[in-house]
Amino acid sequence: DIQMTQSPSSLSASVGDRVTITCRARQTIINSLNWYQQKPGKAPKLLVYNAYSLQSGVPSRFSGSGSGTDFTLTISSLQPEDFATYYCQQTFSAPVTFGGGTKVEIK
Amino acid sequence: QVQLVQSGAEVKKPGASVKVSCQASGYTFTNYFMNWVRQAPGQGLEWVGIINPVGGSTDYAQKFQGRVTMTRDTSTSTVYMEASSLRSEDTAVYYCARSRTNPGVFDIWGQGTMVTVSS
Repeated sequence: DIQMTQSPSSLSASVGDRVTITCRARQTIINSLNWYQQKPGKAPKLLVYNAYSLQSGVPSRFSGSGSGTDFTLTISSLQPEDFATYYCQQTFSAPVTFGGGTKVEIK
Repeated sequence: QVQLVQSGAEVKKPGASVKVSCQASGYTFTNYFMNWVRQAPGQGLEWVGIINPVGGSTDYAQKFQGRVTMTRDTSTSTVYMEASSLRSEDTAVYYCARSRTNPGVFDIWGQGTMVTVSS
């Protein structure tokens, strides 16, 4: 199984801040990396797929980058509704695996 | 609209079985695989397995093999996940999520089903 490591595990930020979350794969996954947002008591929601493609309806302040083993999710200007937990996921090979999550909290 | 609607919360005793359903609507059921993902309280996401609605073939994460069975009913666009020999560590929210490929991106998720295993 491909291990996915996210950092940081949590962060505190203010509205308007630029936020960056990192995800690293144990081996190359080319660009088969997806990002999900999860709010308390809700199902995860797809934000970015194939490393940098924005899912329909997702605000443009979210962006993804990276390839190979290192990937980044960036929120250019944090909004109140963005406080949530973010997960990366590799779909390069079965079984799909997720990172441990990054909780974005209000500073 | 495209949606996945799951069955309600369950409370089971250790050693029992549980069967959770996920009904799809708003798209062609046989065009997408269906995955199951679980999330223990306060924990991250863990992939359980996948079913191909065309033919019903399945693939399970190694730790669930022999304890989980996924099936589908194409007449009602519903997939089922049955877990047996439940233990307290199986207490979690179970989500269904569709993907176009196997493996693939999970673009639509069900609302989740809480399964509590307690004596």
